[in-house]
Amino acid sequence: GDSVTQMEGPVTLSEEAFLTINCTYTATGYPSLFWYVQYPGEGLQLLLKATKADDKGSNKGFEATYRKETTSFHLEKGSVQVSDSAVYFCALSVDNNNDMRFGAGTRLTVKP
Amino acid sequence: NAGVMQNPRHLVRRRGQEARLRCSPMKGHSHVYWYRQLPEEGLKFMVYLQKENIIDESGMPKERFSAEFPKEGPSILRIQQVVRGDSAAYFCASSPAEAGISGANVLTFGAGSRLTVL
Repeated sequence: GDSVTQMEGPVTLSEEAFLTINCTYTATGYPSLFWYVQYPGEGLQLLLKATKADDKGSNKGFEATYRKETTSFHLEKGSVQVSDSAVYFCALSVDNNNDMRFGAGTRLTVKP
Repeated sequence: NAGVMQNPRHLVRRRGQEARLRCSPMKGHSHVYWYRQLPEEGLKFMVYLQKENIIDESGMPKERFSAEFPKEGPSILRIQQVVRGDSAAYFCASSPAEAGISGANVLTFGAGSRLTVL
């Protein structure tokens, strides 16, 4: 079935460090790919998305490129801030499905 | 424009009681999704509903759990005879149409309902 596998956390970085959170997917169709972020005590918010191969989603300094050849959608940020501390979820949605499948989430803690 | 509204935000139940969680989708959204997040785990899909129809309930436990989305009013996730293992955050999301078509529609999440079973 359709699924997403995320890099396990937790991840702890110092402020201004480079961030990569790996995400790979398995899908029977042609999925759209998403990254959601969950701040403490809140629901999930869409961070960025990409709908076709080689698309790059970007928002708030975060980027992810849809790589069909490696079935990946890794999240990157060049310089993290303390305010980026949250749980990040990779997700996919396939055209012939109506639900969204999430990875297990990766907890990021950024220290000053 | 209010987002997805979930209530109660926190619910405490004793084993054997019933829990009812409510979700009002965003205005204009006709599709509702329920997810469960166990402590230190990711989100698990439970059920997808449209008005008066359950479209996909492949993630719902076979017993004690049910969901509805009536023609009028919020969607309800009902858990009968709760057990400690039901303690989790339950998130509702909505979309205006099937999520994934052209990638144009994404899910908007509520803040969640945290159920604690004593």
